[in-house]
Amino acid sequence: QVQLVESGGGVVQPGTSLRLSCAASGFTFSSYALHWVRQAPGKGLEWVAVISYDGNKKYYADSVKGRFTISRDNSKNTLYLHMNSLRAEDTAVYYCARSSSGTFDAFNIWGQGTMVTVSS
Amino acid sequence: QLVLTQSPSASASLGASVKLTCTLSSGHSSYAIAWHQQQPEKGPRYLMKLNSDGSHRKGDGIPDRFSGSSSGAERYLTISSLQSEDEADYYCQTWGIDIGVFGGGTKLTVL
Repeated sequence: QVQLVESGGGVVQPGTSLRLSCAASGFTFSSYALHWVRQAPGKGLEWVAVISYDGNKKYYADSVKGRFTISRDNSKNTLYLHMNSLRAEDTAVYYCARSSSGTFDAFNIWGQGTMVTVSS
Repeated sequence: QLVLTQSPSASASLGASVKLTCTLSSGHSSYAIAWHQQQPEKGPRYLMKLNSDGSHRKGDGIPDRFSGSSSGAERYLTISSLQSEDEADYYCQTWGIDIGVFGGGTKLTVL
């Protein structure tokens, strides 16, 4: 079935780096744009970044611009989020989500999330 | 600036209907949105994409009790015959050329 599975979360110290992965299955991965969305404890959803179906276009929320990098490997059906210079305010559950088309659109598939805790 | 506004909370009785509202910021009344449900301690679930003309496309397995409608800059989610499992947070989502936006969410309590 159509599925997104995140991994790579954990507890890290401020200023360090972490890479999240999102493995996709059940659909033609290279046809869809993909996003990262996060949710801090007790808070609402926050869009983080998007990558187009072919990887040529990438956009970021101001809160992570210059620190986070979104990428994808269409040969491995996997989405990534490279997070550098992590801060306490980056603590959140990180979800990957699929657009319903090759570019920005409604998110119609969600992963189950992976928790990232930034703490000394 | 593209912004979505939702009321923080709503409540309705078991078996009744409720209409949740998501308001697009000025100048963005033609935008489509999506509605997502997040039950307690779970990840979000896509409910539907809702266009400015009120047409909508629901996700797989979403019951007929969930419907969408539009009026100007307002986008609505109506849930009829409320069930206990409908108690959840509901988020609207939209997008621009280079940005994704979520509303603040509405916490629905089923009485």
